[in-house]
Amino acid sequence: AQSVTQPDIHITVSEGASLELRCNYSYGATPYLFWYVQSPGQGLQLLLKYFSGDTLVQGIKGFEAEFKRSQSSFNLRKPSVHWSDAAEYFCAVGPNQGGKLIFGQGTELSVKP
Amino acid sequence: NAGVMQNPRHLVRRRGQEARLRCSPMKGHSHVYWYRQLPEEGLKFMVYLQKENIIDESGMPKERFSAEFPKEGPSILRIQQVVRGDSAAYFCASSPNQQANYGYTFGSGTRLTVV
Repeated sequence: AQSVTQPDIHITVSEGASLELRCNYSYGATPYLFWYVQSPGQGLQLLLKYFSGDTLVQGIKGFEAEFKRSQSSFNLRKPSVHWSDAAEYFCAVGPNQGGKLIFGQGTELSVKP
Repeated sequence: NAGVMQNPRHLVRRRGQEARLRCSPMKGHSHVYWYRQLPEEGLKFMVYLQKENIIDESGMPKERFSAEFPKEGPSILRIQQVVRGDSAAYFCASSPNQQANYGYTFGSGTRLTVV
């Protein structure tokens, strides 16, 4: 079955600290992987995506993610968190031929001063 | 270049009424996807449409829900005889073609409240 698991429902980090949000997926074919961020009451903004090639991808707002096929993981990282990064983060997987994305449950990030 | 436009942003309906949610994709995008987000949950796929065609409706409830994307005009998600359990945020996304590597652009959503 196709699925995405984000093990951490809620994470709190101090401003300036590093961040890693976990994402594991189960997918039959070669997956296309995405990270989205959602601020309260807003839509989803694409942070980064992975299709092929270099397994470390850079995104907007200083985020990066690493694809590890052996671990079926696509963890999101940021070296130094800013207060404005507080939001909900969603990992998603989709087929290379387009079509529906399968989302994880989301991880809510809180940033303390 | 406007993004994906969804309206209304907020919609309140009484039980038994109909809800119509509209989505105008980005200019040049001919593929539209609808997702539902229940409170404290991630997004769940509902339906994938191209102009005048439903490509994948595997996530649509069997009854009361329908979607269309006419040749002209926005895509419409229609919920008949709404119930409390339909209260959720409904998001639309669009892409220029079938290839996922172009990415999906999401709208800001319609928050439906059934009272």
